[in-house]
Amino acid sequence: GAVVSQHPSRVICKSGTSVKIECRSLDFQATTMFWYRQFPKQSLMLMATSNEGSKATYEQGVEKDKFLINHASLTLSTLTVTSAHPEDSSFYICSATRVAGELFFGEGSRLTVL
Amino acid sequence: TQLLEQSPQFLSIQEGENLTVYCNSSSVFSSLQWYRQEPGEGPVLLVTVVTGGEVKKLKRLTFQFGDARKDSSLHITAAQPGDTGLYLCAVDRGSTLGRLYFGRGTQLTVWP
Repeated sequence: GAVVSQHPSRVICKSGTSVKIECRSLDFQATTMFWYRQFPKQSLMLMATSNEGSKATYEQGVEKDKFLINHASLTLSTLTVTSAHPEDSSFYICSATRVAGELFFGEGSRLTVL
Repeated sequence: TQLLEQSPQFLSIQEGENLTVYCNSSSVFSSLQWYRQEPGEGPVLLVTVVTGGEVKKLKRLTFQFGDARKDSSLHITAAQPGDTGLYLCAVDRGSTLGRLYFGRGTQLTVWP
């Protein structure tokens, strides 16, 4: 079956540094990918919609300059958390839609900012 | 106010018991999805319900979409420890397929 993979699964960084998280669709082309954030014991909150070859669409309240999204190919979207701070520590999850409309989620990436 | 209200927030039961969790809203949806998420992993789709009054079964799990398509329930029969997880309902936000709004979820723990 289709698989969406995220890398890294866990990352720890110092405050003020930038961290890049990758989301790959392994056996299908994804024209659209989504990025979610999940704080402990809370639900998934949609951050942005990533479209291949165009700028991402951010949800209200999400800082686009802080969370840079790039969708340069049909199988890869990246989320870069710039100048990360402890409050950015969270579980980041991507999803991707296949042409047939099926939706697949990645395994998630846990970011800890010290 | 949450678009999707899930209840209960937490549920802790013994193996073999039955349970029902709910996902309610004042809005009407064309479809609704149920996911299960385990710690440190992404959510996994269990079912999509589309038609008002629809009932879908997945082994010991029974999903129902309300007649008015505003609410849904998930019933688990004879729960097992492997059913432990966060159960989330979600709906499309519209305009783009896959752009989902999730409820806060029900954290289910099944003790052996």
